[in-house]
Amino acid sequence: DAGVIQSPRHEVTEMGQEVTLRCKPISGHNSLFWYRQTMMRGLELLIYFNNNVPIDDSGMPEDRFSAKMPNASFSTLKIQPSEPRDSAVYFCASSRDSNQPQHFGDGTRLSIL
Amino acid sequence: GEDVEQSLFLSVREGDSSVINCTYTDSSSTYLYWYKQEPGAGLQLLTYIFSNMDMKQDQRLTVLLNKKDKHLSLRIADTQTGDSAIYFCAADFGDYKLSFGAGTTVTVRA
Repeated sequence: DAGVIQSPRHEVTEMGQEVTLRCKPISGHNSLFWYRQTMMRGLELLIYFNNNVPIDDSGMPEDRFSAKMPNASFSTLKIQPSEPRDSAVYFCASSRDSNQPQHFGDGTRLSIL
Repeated sequence: GEDVEQSLFLSVREGDSSVINCTYTDSSSTYLYWYKQEPGAGLQLLTYIFSNMDMKQDQRLTVLLNKKDKHLSLRIADTQTGDSAIYFCAADFGDYKLSFGAGTTVTVRA
């Protein structure tokens, strides 16, 4: 079975540019999570969707960050405008239900110059 | 929120057993997880244990849970070079929230 698929795997862009990260969750999973991983702060939950509806976005750092889930098989995380401090690895994870084990994608390594 | 702590580094000889330890604070956690992260990859779910269990074994992996002391451990038998990675302990403290430890970097030496 295909796991969580994220694209792109790597993204390098200049500050001020818009960045869009994409995620395809595992088929049949109704919960989707976006995380950010940095050396300083470890893994942080940014936003959680259940049945395509954002339930908790308290981890989204600023208004520059936005996330959507237009359907059960696709989600995006957008940063506009991007800043160097946004450089991190961004992970998408999905689970069958909210309290079931979360399965992670391979992440997008984002570098903002 | 939940605090999860684990030691940062472990060095083990190939063929020996590895034991990675973790402590957590929230006694209401339902599930406790172990994830493995290899360089440049995502977090791979290794195993998990329900909070009413004491032990779970899965091939070379053994998870021990001491609820009284809020202590979780992962034992890897016959450690191989492919086991070199960062291992994260995680505990749930709500319907969907996971709290992760900082990760233990396991280095397997020949």
